Amino acid sequence: SQTIHQWPATLVQPVGSPLSLECTVEGTSNPNLYWYRQAAGRGLQLLFYSVGIGQISSEVPQNLSASRPQDRQFILSSKKLLLSDSGFYLCAWTPGQGITEAFFGQGTRLTVV
Amino acid sequence: AQKVTQAQTEISVVEKEDVTLDCVYETRDTTYYLFWYKQPPSGELVFLIRRNSFDEQNEISGRYSWNFQKSTSSFNFTITASQVVDSAVYFCALSMNYGGSQGNLIFGKGTKLSVKP
Repeated sequence: SQTIHQWPATLVQPVGSPLSLECTVEGTSNPNLYWYRQAAGRGLQLLFYSVGIGQISSEVPQNLSASRPQDRQFILSSKKLLLSDSGFYLCAWTPGQGITEAFFGQGTRLTVV
Repeated sequence: AQKVTQAQTEISVVEKEDVTLDCVYETRDTTYYLFWYKQPPSGELVFLIRRNSFDEQNEISGRYSWNFQKSTSSFNFTITASQVVDSAVYFCALSMNYGGSQGNLIFGKGTKLSVKP
């Protein structure tokens, strides 16, 4: 069966520090991968998605970037964190083909101080 | 533009009451998909149901039921005989499928359901 792993679960980082969040999917090949952010008191917003290695689409211009170095690995990064980057980050995947729902990881709660 | 509106920010009920969570969506596409997700306090999003725009049949799964009406662009979710374990934030979401982007979900702001014993 397919599983999605996301780490770390929680993170406290100072303003101006770098960020790297990692997400991996097991049990499937060629998944579509997604990064969402849930800011406090707000809904979920799609940040990036990827349909293949090295292919990244950005939905919202921001202080963040994403990379997909391997088929089942998706990384969210920042060179210098801002206070506004605080939030709950969720990674998700869908099969590369066919219509289905998105499956989400456990999320990373990021607090920028 | 696509949009999902969940007008109810918070709902509080007593255990065993029935509760309906409203969802209204906007899209000009004729092919689209609607979803409900549950977010318990742990934060993980749990998939509940997916509906495509060509399937207006209502669905029942145990105590959960969903009413999809294209005429009013609504996809409402009813929990019958609510339980404390149903306490969570519930999200309605909309997706189109363009070139493999079916996971590009447009979420409503969520409805926080509190079920009290």
